Order: sequence, then C-alpha cells, then structure tokens
Amino acid sequence: DQQVKQNSPSLSVQEGRISILNCDYTNSMFDYFLWYKKYPAEGPTFLISISSIKDKNEDGRFTVFLNKSAKHLSLHIVPSQPGDSAVYFCAASAEDGYAGNMLTFGGGTRLMVKP
Amino acid sequence: DSGVTQTPKHLITATGQRVTLRCSPRSGDLSVYWYQQSLDQGLQFLIQYYNGEERAKGNILERFSAQQFPDLHSELNLSSLELGDSALYFCASSVAGLAGGELFFGEGSRLTVL
Repeated sequence: DQQVKQNSPSLSVQEGRISILNCDYTNSMFDYFLWYKKYPAEGPTFLISISSIKDKNEDGRFTVFLNKSAKHLSLHIVPSQPGDSAVYFCAASAEDGYAGNMLTFGGGTRLMVKP
Repeated sequence: DSGVTQTPKHLITATGQRVTLRCSPRSGDLSVYWYQQSLDQGLQFLIQYYNGEERAKGNILERFSAQQFPDLHSELNLSSLELGDSALYFCASSVAGLAGGELFFGEGSRLTVL
C-alpha cells in the first residue's frame, strides 16, 4: 500500500514557466512533508519542507502548498530553469515521540525543463 | 557534499553471494537510515538505527541485516543475493528524530547482482 503517491512519472516544462509537481498521501498521521531533488549518480538532496500546521512554505523560487483536507501537496517552481531538471521526490513523516522516524517517499517525478 | 559517506560506490557480484555496504553519517548525527531504490522506483525504507539501537524497520528482507557501531558508522549486510536485489542502496543520517528535520543522503552504493 503506497502511502505517498506521485501520479505523474514525468513532467516537461519550458524554461521560465511554472513547474507544478503533485503528491498525494493517505496516512492522516503524517505531519511533516519534504521535497527532495535527485540528479543522476547523486543522492537525494533536501529542497523544501512544510509542517502540517502550515499550508504554504516559500523558499526563493520554490513554494510548497499543503491541503490537509485533500491529503495533497504540491511543489511550485517559478521560474523553471534548465538546472532544475531532475527527479523530485515527495516524502512524509509522522512524529511518534520516538527518537527518529523514517521518511516515506513517493515514486518520484522526473522534471525536464527545456531551454 | 552532504557529509554522508558510502562505500563502495559500485559493486558487482553473483547470485548467492554476500556483500557489506558501509555508511559513515555526518559528524554529530546519531540516526542512520538505509533505503533501497530499484529501477527508477521510489526509495523504499529498509531500517533505521539511532545511537547504536534499531529504531524502525521497513520492508527489509530477512536475508538483509544491519547494525550501527559505537563510532556511529553503519553497515548493511546483504546475503544469499538474488538478481532482484540489484539496486541503489542509500544511507542517510539525521541528528536525532525527524520532527522538523531532514535526512542527509549519501551518494549511494550501486549493487549489481549477475
């Protein structure tokens, strides 16, 4: 049972336009959400996160939106740049009071930004 | 550079064999996590250690085992290898719990089982 889903395996966007990557989750216990970016032959790198007490978090060109009622989050990249071309993973965690919680990842969306 | 070091970067071995993947977490990080990524799939959580103790277990096969040593480095042991075990194995670390925190990933160990 996939608790975190990224239904679009790939997305192609023109440079300068907005990229919108979507993520759905099923576990209502998730209270912290993260986006990771992964280039080929590298490990995933943290991009941006959001706590369940917020509905929006912005960091430069990257904004994450959280809709708890719909169990949906999205990552907006504006403007998109060719260097943003990578695989983007959505991840979620649930605080259970124990020292350390694992992240549950979605399957990833490959973003291609065309010059 | 995330500060997480994984060795080896690449490993080719045969079915039935046993391999050990090693991870050194970022300085000061007490938690180590192991993830498996197969064929452009998502990252599947295997196991987590915190300060030497196992804290969470995911979809880890019985043929796989891990441990975290007193110096906080971790090893993932994969035995009786099958073709389907070919994958990228990532190690990640964090200071402690994840509440409000992120994981820092190594570059991964690519295992090919022939």
